[in-house]
Amino acid sequence: DTGVSQNPRHKITKRGQNVTFRCDPISEHNRLYWYRQTLGQGPEFLTYFQNEAQLEKSRLLSDRFSAERPKGSFSTLEIQRTEQGDSAMYLCASSRGGGPDYNEQFFGPGTRLTVL
Amino acid sequence: RKEVEQDPGPFNVPEGATVAFNCTYSNSASQSFFWYRQDCRKEPKLLMSVYSSGNEDGRFTAQLNRASQYISLLIRDSKLSDSATYLCVVTPRTSGTYKYIFGTGTRLKVLA
Repeated sequence: DTGVSQNPRHKITKRGQNVTFRCDPISEHNRLYWYRQTLGQGPEFLTYFQNEAQLEKSRLLSDRFSAERPKGSFSTLEIQRTEQGDSAMYLCASSRGGGPDYNEQFFGPGTRLTVL
Repeated sequence: RKEVEQDPGPFNVPEGATVAFNCTYSNSASQSFFWYRQDCRKEPKLLMSVYSSGNEDGRFTAQLNRASQYISLLIRDSKLSDSATYLCVVTPRTSGTYKYIFGTGTRLKVLA
C-alpha cells in the first residue's frame, strides 16, 4: 500500500499523559500536513512541513503540541499533558508540492484520540 | 464569520434524485478549490477539483463562481453509495503552504 499511513489508529489515554502519533506520507511527497477533526466539524489545520522544515503552525497548536519531521520523511505529533478537549481525530496528509497544480492532498486514515 | 461555510444538512433524498450543495468562502484571494467526500469515521478523499470553467465527472458537476465567492456541487441520479459527508475545501493564496481550509461538511443520506 503506497498511501499515507498513520499509527496508532486509536489511542485512549488518561488526562495528563503524553501521547505521540506517527505519520508516514507517500514517499515522493515533500509536503506534509497535520489536521484535527472533532465530531460534526471539518478538519482544522494544525501544522505544515516542507521536507524537514516546519513552515507554519496554527494558533490551535498550543505549546503542549509539538511536531517533527526529522529527515523529511515520516512525521510525529506529540501532545503533552493531554486534556479532555484534545479528544479528536488527528489526520495527516501529504502532497507532492511544486505549486497550486500539485496541491492535492492525500489523507491518512487518522489517529482517533480519546482522553479520559 | 467562518472562512468556509456550508449548510451542514442533513440532506435526505430518494435514490435517483438530483441534489445540489453550495459552499461560500470569505477570502477573495483563494486560489484552489476542491470537494472531498468523507465516509463515517474515515479519512477525507478527493471527489473533484473545482475550476473556474466548471468540471464534470460522471454524475458529479462542480462549479466555481469567483465573483460571488461560492462553489457548488451537483449530484445527479443519486445512489445509496453517495451517502456521505461532502467537504468543501479552499486554499488561501496568501498561504504559501497550500494548507486546506475546510467547511463543516454537508451530510447527504440517499434513501431507498
